[in-house]
Amino acid sequence: EIVLTQSPPTLSLSPGDRATLSCRASQSVSSHLAWYQQKPGQAPRLLIYDASNRATGIPARFSGSVSGTDFTLTISSLEPEDFAVYHCQLRSNWPPVITFGQGTRLEIK
Amino acid sequence: EVQLVESGGGLIQPGGSLTLSCAASGFSVSNNYMNWVRQAPGKGLEWVSVIYTGGSTYYSDSVKGRFTISRDNSKNTVYLQMNNVRVEDAAVYHCARAYSTYLDWFDPWGQGTLVTVSS
Repeated sequence: EIVLTQSPPTLSLSPGDRATLSCRASQSVSSHLAWYQQKPGQAPRLLIYDASNRATGIPARFSGSVSGTDFTLTISSLEPEDFAVYHCQLRSNWPPVITFGQGTRLEIK
Repeated sequence: EVQLVESGGGLIQPGGSLTLSCAASGFSVSNNYMNWVRQAPGKGLEWVSVIYTGGSTYYSDSVKGRFTISRDNSKNTVYLQMNNVRVEDAAVYHCARAYSTYLDWFDPWGQGTLVTVSS
């Protein structure tokens, strides 16, 4: 069973700062990792798919990368609306098993 | 506009049953891979179930044998029948459309419906 570990659990930054969020897989995996943003009381929103592709309508300040089993979501310059919880997600091959990380809360410092 | 709206959540006693609904607009549920994903209070997201275009269904081990996913193409709605509900099933239940047979990613998501389990 693949485990996704997100770090840090909470990240306190200011608008304009650069945010780096990590998602580490417990074993060698494919690059089919997705990132989601979720605000309180709202549905998760797809940000990044296949580790580095921005979803439709997602601003260019959001980017994703991968190195081995380490996936990173970077927000180049935080806007006030970016403070939220971020989740990573990975899928198995077959049968379908979907794994989510425990989330990183990005809060205003 | 592509949209998913869940309903049917509420308070249920352990061992009870409940059916959740997810109404889709802007696309056809019969031509897509439709899922339920839940989030317990203060916890991360947990995938629950998928129904494929051909009707095949899969479940997480935590709900297998107790929950059933189905759809009504005429109503463009997906359902989650929850039986023998446990305290640990309490969560906000979201429906979401998946990309690809392997469920690579989910988009869009519904806002969710809250299921509370208590005696």
